[in-house]
Amino acid sequence: QQPVQSPQAVILREGEDAVINCSSSKALYSVHWYRQKHGEAPVFLMILLKGGEQKGHDKISASFNEKKQQSSLYLTASQLSYSGTYFCGTEIYPSNTGKLIFGQGTTLQVKP
Amino acid sequence: EAGVTQFPSHSVIEKGQTVTLRCDPISGHDNLYWYRRVMGKEIKFLLHFVKESKQDESGMPNNRFLAERTGGTYSTLKVQPAELEDSGVYFCASGPRGKQFFGPGTRLTVL
Repeated sequence: QQPVQSPQAVILREGEDAVINCSSSKALYSVHWYRQKHGEAPVFLMILLKGGEQKGHDKISASFNEKKQQSSLYLTASQLSYSGTYFCGTEIYPSNTGKLIFGQGTTLQVKP
Repeated sequence: EAGVTQFPSHSVIEKGQTVTLRCDPISGHDNLYWYRRVMGKEIKFLLHFVKESKQDESGMPNNRFLAERTGGTYSTLKVQPAELEDSGVYFCASGPRGKQFFGPGTRLTVL
């Protein structure tokens, strides 16, 4: 039931791009993306609903492929502040509670 | 706007003791969630309140865990008696339907 995130870890230089994937074996109602820095609260980035939409947030965007039950997070022209652990949280269809099932996380390190 | 707050930030207790964690959600948020992250593993759902009612408590590990949300405002999560495997970071999140804003978590260590 737990979604699988890939890669587990990635190291980038400032200005480089990255893609983080989140795949589920279950039909999804929504996918939520969070970034957590060490010792801090996970920060909400965006939510994608069933329907295959793509959303953007500054230079961070995401897509949701309903047929594949997969979401991808795109980080463009990465900045040092992008470093942290990225989690996808999935809401399995048909959801009526908002309960999220999280992937294991992807650690992103951006170097100068 | 104040975010979700949790108290304490850290707690170290001995096996067999009782600990109570508190979560203050963002004002006006009816939905309140508890999650837990055991070291090295994923964040796992514990339960969900809508106002003061438990909507889903399917993630509560056993009857040593008791969550309450009196009056539909703050929530408490009590662990009694604590076991070694209860160690981890306990997160609270609140939000309108569809979004969840997380607190900084309480790091619980059971010795």
